[in-house]
Amino acid sequence: DQQVKQNSPSLSVQEGRISILNCDYTNSMFDYFLWYKKYPAEGPTFLISISSIKDKNEDGRFTVFLNKSAKHLSLHIVPSQPGDSAVYFCAATSTTSGTYKYIFGTGTRLKVLA
Amino acid sequence: EPEVTQTPSHQVTQMGQEVILRCVPISNHLYFYWYRQILGQKVEFLVSFYNNEISEKSEIFDDQFSVERPDGSNFTLKIRSTKLEDSAMYFCASSEAVSYRSEFFGPGTRLTVL
Repeated sequence: DQQVKQNSPSLSVQEGRISILNCDYTNSMFDYFLWYKKYPAEGPTFLISISSIKDKNEDGRFTVFLNKSAKHLSLHIVPSQPGDSAVYFCAATSTTSGTYKYIFGTGTRLKVLA
Repeated sequence: EPEVTQTPSHQVTQMGQEVILRCVPISNHLYFYWYRQILGQKVEFLVSFYNNEISEKSEIFDDQFSVERPDGSNFTLKIRSTKLEDSAMYFCASSEAVSYRSEFFGPGTRLTVL
């Protein structure tokens, strides 16, 4: 039961261009979403989050967009840099259902080409 | 910058043996978690821990697993009788609060069961 899906296992982007990573979810109870970045041999690193009361959150080069009606969120990285090359995980949770766990997607491997 | 640490970085064990994976969460954090990632698959929630007891656990977290906070700093995951399918990266995470939180992940312990 994949409640959080990242349908693109990999993405290649030229340095300086925009990277767009997508994530879809099925559980309408999810109301808080995060993006994590993971380098090889390291744990996931928190990148940016968004609550369902917003449709956009921006932090520097990173912007997350949330479309609740489509149950879709995306992470935009502008401009992309070679150091952004990593696996990006989308994660979701419900803050109102008493759960403490995040459900992760399967990840998208981003490669930024110099 | 404070970080979550995990030891060992790599543990090799024979099937049926007990293993203990250790984590030192960030010192002012109150919520602790274990996740695992089987090679090539998504990050999966195992268990959350707050106020010296399990808050939530997944279906993966069966009777073979236990968690403990034996002192004020360590948070351990014990697998009583390891199986081949327990081979994975195990990530410890901690957070200050459970709502609108971001979890800080450790670098992971790679468990290999032979």
